[in-house]
Amino acid sequence: DAKTTQPNSMESNEEEPVHLPCNHSTISGTDYIHWYRQLPSQGPEYVIHGLTSNVNNRMASLAIAEDRKSSTLILHRATLRDAAVYYCILRALSNTGNQFYFGTGTSLTVIP
Amino acid sequence: NAGVMQNPRHLVRRRGQEARLRCSPMKGHSHVYWYRQLPEEGLKFMVYLQKENIIDESGMPKERFSAEFPKEGPSILRIQQVVRGDSAAYFCASSPIIYRVPDTQYFGPGTRLTVL
Repeated sequence: DAKTTQPNSMESNEEEPVHLPCNHSTISGTDYIHWYRQLPSQGPEYVIHGLTSNVNNRMASLAIAEDRKSSTLILHRATLRDAAVYYCILRALSNTGNQFYFGTGTSLTVIP
Repeated sequence: NAGVMQNPRHLVRRRGQEARLRCSPMKGHSHVYWYRQLPEEGLKFMVYLQKENIIDESGMPKERFSAEFPKEGPSILRIQQVVRGDSAAYFCASSPIIYRVPDTQYFGPGTRLTVL
């Protein structure tokens, strides 16, 4: 299983940008990088995903290193509602699966 | 378009009883996944199903656990003779097929199982 490494926790002030790093040095050429977040007592929520190029959507931006061994999720202006556990996941496609392997994620605290 | 639905949201069972967890995927999604989350831990993949087929059950305990996704109706995760260690949140996710490849997974709110 391809693995990811994230810091256990991070803090950010409200309305400031947040950069959440993820290392995935064993990524293979066909692995997609997905980010999900999980608010307390809820199911994981899709944030963004990419393969090689940087991606933007209404929630966040994803910056992928040129060698793809790391990526960064960028929240442009943190709000209190962004306090959650953020998971960086490698999606390995195969004949038998579309499995997501969750690590322990980064717990983001947003300070008012 | 309703999201992934799971019921019940909370389930309490005594040791030795059976637990049945249901998952209705998003409309148009034919792939379902079950994950388990123990307290203070990340999600662990259990099983991946398409309609009437189990594609990958490598994360499912060999005994007492089974899953199905019938042609009609929701996917069911069944735990027989529950033990206290089965207490966890169980999440279901579904995904569409895009260009014949299963795509992004969308998660339900989970079922929180408590075994007394």
